[in-house]
Amino acid sequence: DTEVTQTPKHLVMGMTNKKSLKCEQHMGHRAMYWYKQKAKKPPELMFVYSYEKLSINESVPSRFSPECPNSSLLNLHLHALQPEDSALYLCASSQLALRTATNEKLFFGSGTQLSVL
Amino acid sequence: GQQVMQIPQYQHVQEGEDFTTYCNSSTTLSNIQWYKQRPGGHPVFLIQLVKSGEVKKQKRLTFQFGEAKKNSSLHITATQTTDVGTYFCAYSGSFQKLVFGTGTRLLVSP
Repeated sequence: DTEVTQTPKHLVMGMTNKKSLKCEQHMGHRAMYWYKQKAKKPPELMFVYSYEKLSINESVPSRFSPECPNSSLLNLHLHALQPEDSALYLCASSQLALRTATNEKLFFGSGTQLSVL
Repeated sequence: GQQVMQIPQYQHVQEGEDFTTYCNSSTTLSNIQWYKQRPGGHPVFLIQLVKSGEVKKQKRLTFQFGEAKKNSSLHITATQTTDVGTYFCAYSGSFQKLVFGTGTRLLVSP
C-alpha cells in the first residue's frame, strides 16, 4: 500500500467553526507533514512530525493545531480560520532521513480543498 | 537565506516539441528532488539528485544536477499531452524540511 489517504476531499467552513482534517498512511513512514498550497503557488510547509513528535512548526498561527495520535495518523484541527486560509491542504509522509541536510521522497495525499467563508 | 527560483514560470508547447525547466539556487544544495503536479492533483515524486554533475533519465525525461550543485534542470523530449502539469524542484531547507521551488507550469497542445 503506497497511498496517503486524506479526508475530507472538500470542506467549507465558517470562521467560527471547528473542523479537523485527517490523514492516514500504512507505509510504515515515521515522518509526516502538512503543507498548504494556494492556487498556482508551490506547497508551503506548515508542520513536520518525526516519530509522532512535532519537529518543525513553520510559525503557523495557533488557529491551526496539528496532532499525531499514532504512527499512521495525522490530524489538523482548525478553529476560527480566516478567509485567507482557504487553500489546498496536503498531507505527506516519508521515511526518516538518515542524514541531516537530506530528505527522503514524499508521498502526498490528494489533499483537502478548504474554503473559509 | 536560501532562494530557489524556477524558470520559466509557464510554457506552452505543441505536442512533439521539447521542454526544459531550470531550478537555480543562490547557495549550494545538498540534493534536489523533482515533483510533478497534474492540474487538480497532488505532487508526485519523480527523481532525486545528490551528486555534483549527476544526470538521470526516465524515458523521455532527463534530469541534471549542476557541477556546483547550485542548479538543476528537467528536460522533456517530444512532449505529449500527458506531460501537462506543474513541475517543481524541491530542496532540503534543513533536516526533514523539504522546500519547493516556484514551479513551472507546462501546457501541451495536441
